Amino acid sequence: SQQGEEDPQALSIQEGENATMNCSYKTSINNLQWYRQNSGRGLVHLILIRSNEREKHSGRLRVTLDTSKKSSSLLITASRAADTASYFCATETSGTYKYIFGTGTRLKVLA
Amino acid sequence: GAVVSQHPSRVICKSGTSVKIECRSLDFQATTMFWYRQFPKQSLMLMATSNEGSKATYEQGVEKDKFLINHASLTLSTLTVTSAHPEDSSFYICSARGMGGNQPQHFGDGTRLSIL
Repeated sequence: SQQGEEDPQALSIQEGENATMNCSYKTSINNLQWYRQNSGRGLVHLILIRSNEREKHSGRLRVTLDTSKKSSSLLITASRAADTASYFCATETSGTYKYIFGTGTRLKVLA
Repeated sequence: GAVVSQHPSRVICKSGTSVKIECRSLDFQATTMFWYRQFPKQSLMLMATSNEGSKATYEQGVEKDKFLINHASLTLSTLTVTSAHPEDSSFYICSARGMGGNQPQHFGDGTRLSIL
């Protein structure tokens, strides 16, 4: 399977702590994106990082990309209970517009 | 901006019924739309890619006669699950992508399909 992998599969932290999720992929990519999904809902786009970028910030989110290792990380700083959700990375395969999703990380932030 | 509306949000119907799900990009033109299926606590699996005015491209293992996709305009794609059976019960999500390189996909809220 070409599906990307994320770790950890599940993460439980206290409010205020930082949460780090990692994503590994297998193909050449145009870009990598992180999405958030609340239970039973669609996906919300968080951040896109292009293949020639190494780091990107958006509010409390920080994303890194290492194309040599085919990996990315998402850091959520000062987490809040409202950050509780599943987080997915998705890679846009080079030469296509298709996404390959990672397996996801279920984050639970305890108040 | 970049809102995608998916309708209906939930369908419960009898085995053998055909079900149509609509996906609309409300404030942008979507040259490409995607249909995904998601099982509980699992990731999204791409079913097919549809481009406006042309036939959809199905992923391996997805029956094109079972899952009919139409992308008649730059803002609307439909997925019809024909003669649905209990094993077709799932969460179906569409997404739409605007023109140009390095564009994010914008997702609908999904459709929970339950076949009795």
